[in-house]
Amino acid sequence: AQKVTQAQTEISVVEKEDVTLDCVYETRDTTYYLFWYKQPPSGELVFLIRRNSFDEQNEISGRYSWNFQKSTSSFNFTITASQVVDSAVYFCALSDMEYGNKLVFGAGTILRVKS
Amino acid sequence: NAGVTQTPKFQVLKTGQSMTLQCAQDMNHNSMYWYRQDPGMGLRLIYYSASEGTTDKGEVPNGYNVSRLNKREFSLRLESAAPSQTSVYFCASNLRTQGAPGANVLTFGAGSRLTVL
Repeated sequence: AQKVTQAQTEISVVEKEDVTLDCVYETRDTTYYLFWYKQPPSGELVFLIRRNSFDEQNEISGRYSWNFQKSTSSFNFTITASQVVDSAVYFCALSDMEYGNKLVFGAGTILRVKS
Repeated sequence: NAGVTQTPKFQVLKTGQSMTLQCAQDMNHNSMYWYRQDPGMGLRLIYYSASEGTTDKGEVPNGYNVSRLNKREFSLRLESAAPSQTSVYFCASNLRTQGAPGANVLTFGAGSRLTVL
């Protein structure tokens, strides 16, 4: 069975601090996808990134970066120089690569960025 | 582009009442999903439909039924609502084709907040 653990329930930082959101996953599949979604206070779910299990290269997009390590089954998300607009719930998710597959989500991490 | 449209956005029910949440997508996606979101539990899959004409149970299907009416529409029905079904419900869809750009990335609707008294 697949499982995603986001051990940090809530994190509070002051604007401009860097923050890392942890994600640990479990799967028996040898090929899979990992995702991060953002849910701002307005409630919609916004896709941030998809990473496949073949590619362990870290990815950077502006202030966001992702560290994928298969050896530790982790897919951590770092926000550099956080801003108030980053305040949201962040979900890590896992799926296999089969057709019409299902995403399994972690419980989410609430990030509060204070000015 | 509308993406995934859910109705209603809000609903209050009494215990034992029935209702149907509607979902439609205009992206020609093959797969559609219903998730529920509860505090501290993330999103849990209720039912999904890998393609038109098929539906399968997810992690928490009890108390729900679904219908994949056509490729665009996937409805979720509560036959006899219970307070434990108070939640925010999200419909989502994605491409089925393996290897296609963006495959497996879920596009979500705006959510439906349901309260059962």
